[in-house]
Amino acid sequence: DAGITQSPRHKVTETGTPVTLRCHQTENHRYMYWYRQDPGHGLRLIHYSYGVKDTDKGEVSDGYSVSRSKTEDFLLTLESATSSQTSVYFCAISHGRNTEAFFGQGTRLTVV
Amino acid sequence: DQQVKQNSPSLSVQEGRISILNCDYTNSMFDYFLWYKKYPAEGPTFLISISSIKDKNEDGRFTVFLNKSAKHLSLHIVPSQPGDSAVYFCAASANDKIIFGKGTRLHILP
Repeated sequence: DAGITQSPRHKVTETGTPVTLRCHQTENHRYMYWYRQDPGHGLRLIHYSYGVKDTDKGEVSDGYSVSRSKTEDFLLTLESATSSQTSVYFCAISHGRNTEAFFGQGTRLTVV
Repeated sequence: DQQVKQNSPSLSVQEGRISILNCDYTNSMFDYFLWYKKYPAEGPTFLISISSIKDKNEDGRFTVFLNKSAKHLSLHIVPSQPGDSAVYFCAASANDKIIFGKGTRLHILP
């Protein structure tokens, strides 16, 4: 693996509670991404970061926020979790534009 | 609106034969394309990529072809092996974003 750690790996939470997923990298890569994977939808981009404190929305950003206060950490927050946010979440990193991205092992989130 | 389309949800190929996975895109701003392989309960693994200035890139058993005028790319796997059974994702990059298709499940038959 390319030095990416996602935590937690599994989480069950109740509807309406806040949840934060963490992505930590040791590669000093500039770009970091959050995706969700759902049956029939493939991988959909939630938010991404192109540097410290530089983030932007992806395809499915509603209900999610992100923060990147240092190069190695990219946090994904669900302010008030809903059942539609039950999914597998993947973090990815890449060192520059138009280079391959490397993925973490994923976090399985269940909202009940 | 889907910008990267993989219209075949699944594909079955005999071991030893060629596997061809297809991908179409709609956004002409995409300038870098990637293929990933994914096994269950694991993160996607990068396979091969191609820049929009090229029309072919080869790496071992994997070759990616890009037809910019048709906004189409394909991944060829020759020869197909049992370990190639997985879900394959096509992805395209523009303006710092990497957008993925829905994936194609490849089954390699003995």
